[in-house]
Amino acid sequence: GNSVTQMEGPVTLSEEAFLTINCTYTATGYPSLFWYVQYPGEGLQLLLKATKADDKGSNKGFEATYRKETTSFHLEKGSVQVSDSAVYFCALTFSGGYNKLIFGAGTRLAVHP
Amino acid sequence: DTAVSQTPKYLVTQMGNDKSIKCEQNLGHDTMYWYKQDSKKFLKIMFSYNNKELIINETVPNRFSPKSPDKAHLNLHINSLELGDSAVYFCASSQGTGGRSGTEAFFGQGTRLTVV
Repeated sequence: GNSVTQMEGPVTLSEEAFLTINCTYTATGYPSLFWYVQYPGEGLQLLLKATKADDKGSNKGFEATYRKETTSFHLEKGSVQVSDSAVYFCALTFSGGYNKLIFGAGTRLAVHP
Repeated sequence: DTAVSQTPKYLVTQMGNDKSIKCEQNLGHDTMYWYKQDSKKFLKIMFSYNNKELIINETVPNRFSPKSPDKAHLNLHINSLELGDSAVYFCASSQGTGGRSGTEAFFGQGTRLTVV
C-alpha cells in the first residue's frame, strides 16, 4: 500500500542551524509529494510540493527534492528561525486516490534563540 | 476572508451526545474532505465529497455521517459520541480529484472535540 515514514521528533535546534527532516515513501506508480506545516493552534498549510522525479520544491527557504531512486523527499533549510517552530508533515497523493493525502506521523521542530 | 472555515473551533460534550461540525469553503473548489488528527498528531482521512457525491469513505464507525448540501459545504455529524472520538477534526478542500496533479489541499483551522 501507500505510506509515508518520517523521522521521529522532536527536533530541537538553535537559531540559524541547518535543518533536515527525513521522509521516505512507499507508493505504487508515481505519487505527488508534499510538505505541510502546522503552526501551533492552526490548520495545515502547504509548504512545498513536487510532482515528478527530480523536481525540487522550495518555499520560504525550505527545499525538498523528489528522489525516485531512494523514494525520499527530505526537507532541508539552511538557517532556521524561531518562527519555523511547528510540526512538519510529509505527505503523498497517488493516481486514482481522489487526491486524498497520506500523511507521515509529523515531526515537531523547536527552534531556540 | 477565510478560505476554509469550520465551526465550532472547540467542542466539549458528554458521552452519548450527538454533535455536528460545519465546514464551508469560499475557494470555488469542487472537492472537500474530513481528516482526523489524533492526540499524537497523526492525520488520517475520513471522507471526501466531489460535487456533493461521496467518493472516499474510509473505515470509520457509522456513527459518523458526512453531509454535503452543496459543493461549498461539508458537515460532519457524529452520533452517540464516545471518549475515543476526542480528536481534532480538519476540513479541507481542493480543486479536482486527480492524484497525479499535485493539487494543493487547503485546510481549515480545525475543531477540537473533547468527549467527557
